[in-house]
Amino acid sequence: KNEVEQSPQNLTAQEGEFITINCSYSVGISALHWLQQHPGGGIVSLFMLSSGKKKHGRLIATINIQEKHSSLHITASHPRDSAVYICAVRSGYGGSQGNLIFGKGTKLSVKP
Amino acid sequence: DTEVTQTPKHLVMGMTNKKSLKCEQHMGHRAMYWYKQKAKKPPELMFVYSYEKLSINESVPSRFSPECPNSSLLNLHLHALQPEDSALYLCASSQVGLSYNEQFFGPGTRLTVL
Repeated sequence: KNEVEQSPQNLTAQEGEFITINCSYSVGISALHWLQQHPGGGIVSLFMLSSGKKKHGRLIATINIQEKHSSLHITASHPRDSAVYICAVRSGYGGSQGNLIFGKGTKLSVKP
Repeated sequence: DTEVTQTPKHLVMGMTNKKSLKCEQHMGHRAMYWYKQKAKKPPELMFVYSYEKLSINESVPSRFSPECPNSSLLNLHLHALQPEDSALYLCASSQVGLSYNEQFFGPGTRLTVL
């Protein structure tokens, strides 16, 4: 079983729909990242969370440390939101560089 | 400047060639990373540099040779690669010292080995 599980693997939505992508993890973490990758492109960091909720524009990310679960929400989705969304966790606490453990990604397609 | 830049964007090389990938950031980050990403897979960590010293090498073959000449630059020297090394190579940077530091990723270099 992967340490970071994302669902769904693929998601197709109509423009304007509210979208939720879920991430569950099985290790103790110090932070969770939501990343966006457009086809053939580099990775953009959307959020880094260690507790609670963050909002940026139409994007909202939440994390429940007790349940080891995070969600990424997109309100009023748009075709330009089409991308792969990756959940990654940083295990451990303090000290130097812990590795990022990546989920397999959720491929989102938003149709006009 | 909150950007990580990578050059070249695309690279095609033969198995006998020697080439280098370059990564640069001016955010004052003292940790820099190389990742390899195959199609439809998540990134795989290759190397981590912390204060210009190699701190993590994830059992990467010696045909990949990283170098961190200063706090802003990270290179990946390539020699005698195999076709299966074709992938997107991503560079990232972050602050050092706290395990919850955010990583900033570059756009990647798309490498094709013929």
